[in-house]
Amino acid sequence: NAGVTQTPKFRILKIGQSMTLQCTQDMNHNYMYWYRQDPGMGLKLIYYSVGAGITDKGEVPNGYNVSRSTTEDFPLRLELAAPSQTSVYFCASTEGTVHMQPQHFGDGTRLSIL
Amino acid sequence: AQSVSQHNHHVILSEAASLELGCNYSYGGTVNLFWYVQYPGQHLQLLLKYFSGDPLVKGIKGFEAEFIKSKFSFNLRKPSVQWSDTAEYFCAVNAPSGGYQKVTFGTGTKLQVIP
Repeated sequence: NAGVTQTPKFRILKIGQSMTLQCTQDMNHNYMYWYRQDPGMGLKLIYYSVGAGITDKGEVPNGYNVSRSTTEDFPLRLELAAPSQTSVYFCASTEGTVHMQPQHFGDGTRLSIL
Repeated sequence: AQSVSQHNHHVILSEAASLELGCNYSYGGTVNLFWYVQYPGQHLQLLLKYFSGDPLVKGIKGFEAEFIKSKFSFNLRKPSVQWSDTAEYFCAVNAPSGGYQKVTFGTGTKLQVIP
């Protein structure tokens, strides 16, 4: 199994450009998450999804959008890139059972906005 | 709302020294607790987890953590660190929130082990 796959691994954007960070998982997990990781700040939840067609905001959703049309895919969209969105982005998934399984993380996307 | 505090931001140890990283959380109900490790340039990996039962949990690579409910703590320990333990360590709390899972991460502790 590939687990959680994120693309691209690195990207440089100009202010105002848009892009989509891709995330796909092959474990048939219902729950998927997008985090951003900034130095000294830990991980902050941007958006999460509990299943296809259902998404909700996390702690820092402003400037981002998501969609969940399939169980496997959970893309993150930046519409108007801003320097404050320079960060490392991690996608994660979990089975989401009542036993609250730990999360499986992707390798991350390092994004720089210049 | 739940929160997680990791008081040590940067820890430097010599090889063979003992390690204890603090983690405190705030949530009044039942929680699940995790420690994740992030080696340089890699993604987060699960180190150990506590769901219920024995409050002393053992994880991979000789790590263990003790859940002390009265202190809302879940400190990570290792008797003797190795250079390969150099990494960033994140404590996380998983608790119900609006009917869904919610995972809150601490800000992380960077561990540097000197040979």
